Amino acid sequence: EAGVVQSPRYKIIEKKQPVAFWCNPISGHNTLYWYLQNLGQGPELLIRYENEEAVDDSQLPKDRFSAERLKGVDSTLKIQPAELGDSAVYLCASSSRLNTGELFFGEGSRLTVL
Amino acid sequence: QKEVEQDPGPLSVPEGAIVSLNCTYSNSAFQYFMWYRQYSRKGPELLMYTYSSGNKEDGRFTAQVDKSSKYISLFIRDSQPSDSATYLCAMKISGNEKLTFGTGTRLTIIP
Repeated sequence: EAGVVQSPRYKIIEKKQPVAFWCNPISGHNTLYWYLQNLGQGPELLIRYENEEAVDDSQLPKDRFSAERLKGVDSTLKIQPAELGDSAVYLCASSSRLNTGELFFGEGSRLTVL
Repeated sequence: QKEVEQDPGPLSVPEGAIVSLNCTYSNSAFQYFMWYRQYSRKGPELLMYTYSSGNKEDGRFTAQVDKSSKYISLFIRDSQPSDSATYLCAMKISGNEKLTFGTGTRLTIIP
């Protein structure tokens, strides 16, 4: 079974540029999460989707961050414009109610803003 | 004050030693407790998942939950160099899918 796939793995951009991250969850997982992980910190939830509906986006900085999950499968997280402080790892995870809430994480997209 | 506190380490122990990793939390509503392992430049992967107070054992790993003290632990017996990773505690409230993570403890097992 394929795991959660994220791309790109690494991205270097200059501040004020836009950037987008893509996530393909495990087949059949209806819940998808985007987490932010700063260096030396634990992941922090940005947004959670149940199918195509964003059910928890309270921690998403909506002035510059946006996300979508079309057709309830793949998801894209966008930052526009990027700031220096956005340098971090963006983790995508998915889960199924059948897994008692276990989250399966992708390898992450590491963003460096110069 | 953070809801979940975890000593970031780093922690270095010789191969074969018993490792103890700990987290404390302040929100008494947390009912589900997890330990994730994260290798360098990889995503976290679930190690242990517990609900009730007490111990849960899985091979060389034992998770311990003390809800009265708001304290959870992960013990690793006969530690191996392959156990070198960052260990994240995580917890959630019943009926809420949001996980709250600790900062992670970076562990190195010295051969």
